[in-house]
Amino acid sequence: AQSVTQLGSHVSVSEGALVLLRCNYSSSVPPYLFWYVQYPNQGLQLLLKYTSAATLVKGINGFEAEFKKSETSFHLTKPSAHMSDAAEYFCAVGNTGGFKTIFGAGTRLFVKA
Amino acid sequence: DGGITQSPKYLFRKEGQNVTLSCEQNLNHDAMYWYRQDPGQGLRLIYYSQIVNDFQKGDIAEGYSVSREKKESFPLTVTSAQKNPTAFYLCASSIGGQRNTEAFFGQGTRLTVV
Repeated sequence: AQSVTQLGSHVSVSEGALVLLRCNYSSSVPPYLFWYVQYPNQGLQLLLKYTSAATLVKGINGFEAEFKKSETSFHLTKPSAHMSDAAEYFCAVGNTGGFKTIFGAGTRLFVKA
Repeated sequence: DGGITQSPKYLFRKEGQNVTLSCEQNLNHDAMYWYRQDPGQGLRLIYYSQIVNDFQKGDIAEGYSVSREKKESFPLTVTSAQKNPTAFYLCASSIGGQRNTEAFFGQGTRLTVV
């Protein structure tokens, strides 16, 4: 069985500070991992995805994530938070059975001026 | 522009009534999905479809029904049997069902039972 766990349902940072959103996964096979962002009352948008080509994955809006097999982690980071980054972020893993991507519970990011 | 269109954006329903949520995509994707989102619970899969005229139940299919008569359309009906239908509903599609392919989402429909 596969799963993802997002640590922290809410994260608050100051504008210009480092953003770190944590995601740990469990998978019996090499995982395919995703980060999505959701702005209020909108659908989800892909930020980045890991498909084993490189452990450091760069995404849109200055975000990146590093795959660490030894830690079963895929944390999302951004060096300097912007007010427009305030949103909910979802970590996800591609299911071995296909078609049923497994999503984490989400982490809401607040950015303080 | 290619994408997924959900309508309406907001929907109000009286208890005991069925209601249908629309989802149309012009991405030429084979797979389509319906998710339900409740605060603090992430996304839960209701139904998914791999090809036209075929669909499978997800994790919370009770009280819902779907059809897939055309590749680009995957409407969801919330029936009166759904005990707690108030939620945000998201439709998505993907090229196929491979686990390395990402999903593309619509803007969602917020359903409120009054």
